[in-house]
Amino acid sequence: QKEVEQDPGPLSVPEGAIVSLNCTYSNSAFQYFMWYRQYSRKGPELLMYTYSSGNKEDGRFTAQVDKSSKYISLFIRDSQPSDSATYLCAMRQTGANNLFFGTGTRLTVIP
Amino acid sequence: NAGVTQTPKFQVLKTGQSMTLQCAQDMNHEYMSWYRQDPGMGLRLIHYSVGAGITDQGEVPNGYNVSRSTTEDFPLRLLSAAPSQTSVYFCASSSPGRRGRANTGELFFGEGSRLTVL
Repeated sequence: QKEVEQDPGPLSVPEGAIVSLNCTYSNSAFQYFMWYRQYSRKGPELLMYTYSSGNKEDGRFTAQVDKSSKYISLFIRDSQPSDSATYLCAMRQTGANNLFFGTGTRLTVIP
Repeated sequence: NAGVTQTPKFQVLKTGQSMTLQCAQDMNHEYMSWYRQDPGMGLRLIHYSVGAGITDQGEVPNGYNVSRSTTEDFPLRLLSAAPSQTSVYFCASSSPGRRGRANTGELFFGEGSRLTVL
């Protein structure tokens, strides 16, 4: 069993839709949770970062962490064609540098 | 700042050949790492380094060597290329937390090196 599981999609939505992306994990020691966005033929870039449980909002993006269920989510409101990319969840333990990534979900927002 | 620079961007090798993927960062980051990205597998850690002279293995280290003689550079060597090493390789770096500042763990990635082994 992989430490981080993510539905690979692909996911296709109309412009303006609300998008929900999710990951589950098995290691209860993970404390830092991140979402990276990767455009085609580019390297991943950090989109959202959350420590421990709770919600974090940044513009149209909201990250949620539920440590009791070992489940994290990324919500995108009013999705735009420019949001079309692969979204990767990542997480790590306190004091560790190495990140564990999900497989990524490919999202397409149709104008 | 250029960030993380990888060369070459594309490479085709024959089975058994060796080559080195170069990675350089100009952010004075102590932590550097190499990942490979394959369809359905996500990003998998090959090797990493927490500082000059210190390297360690990640999840999929077999067939690869690394060294870290300077803070800026972290080359990845393929000793005897195999078709299973056909992949996109990413170098990434980050800075550990400083006193009073949390380490978000943000990795800064290069643009990737696409390797095909025939």
